[in-house]
Amino acid sequence: EVQLVESGGGLLQPGGSLRLSCAVSGFTFNSYEMSWVRQAPGKGLEWVSYISSGGNTMYYADSVEGRFTISRDNAKNSLYLQMNSLRAEDTAVYYCARGIQLWTTFGGYFDYWGQGTLVTVSS
Amino acid sequence: SSELTQDPAVSVALGQTVRITCQGDSLRSYYASWYQQKPGQAPIVVIYGKNNRPSGIPDRFSGSSSGNTASLTISGAQAEDEADYYCNSRDSSGNHLVFGGGTKLTVL
Repeated sequence: EVQLVESGGGLLQPGGSLRLSCAVSGFTFNSYEMSWVRQAPGKGLEWVSYISSGGNTMYYADSVEGRFTISRDNAKNSLYLQMNSLRAEDTAVYYCARGIQLWTTFGGYFDYWGQGTLVTVSS
Repeated sequence: SSELTQDPAVSVALGQTVRITCQGDSLRSYYASWYQQKPGQAPIVVIYGKNNRPSGIPDRFSGSSSGNTASLTISGAQAEDEADYYCNSRDSSGNHLVFGGGTKLTVL
């Protein structure tokens, strides 16, 4: 059974840092691309970041570029999101999601999602 | 603002057919995927690619695309289809992914 379990969310002040983790099981992690997607309270989905299966290619949304860093440890079956210089507008549930052919014209998609972890940035 | 535009809300009578649309320039080059999200739950994919349904998704869900518009059609909507629906694709630059703003579907 494919499972993605996020952790690391919490309440912190603006300007702070936080590292989210996503532990996966039930599939060969190093064969799949991964992304983080967030959802502010009562709002829609927002793609945050992407990392290739080998960890060599990363992309970021403009809203987090330069502040967030995505990484993965294929030996530990884990995905990470280092978030620095946090702002109130970063408050959201953060989901990790497994990607399938995301950068092809075929029409990539996210086939499995975690349950999300809540990050609240507030003074 | 999103590069993919969806109507905020759509309603459909039980058993009728409804189409949810997603507009954006990037859809001329890339297919969209569609996600269903119910309150308090993570999204699930219902359509991807030209018109592909993951296993477990009822065949009343279908997808299509024309020009800059992708569409999700639910033929014979059921009460359990009431949810938020999001389209997703690459943006015009090709180096970012983007979600539409979402459509809240109400089944009357």
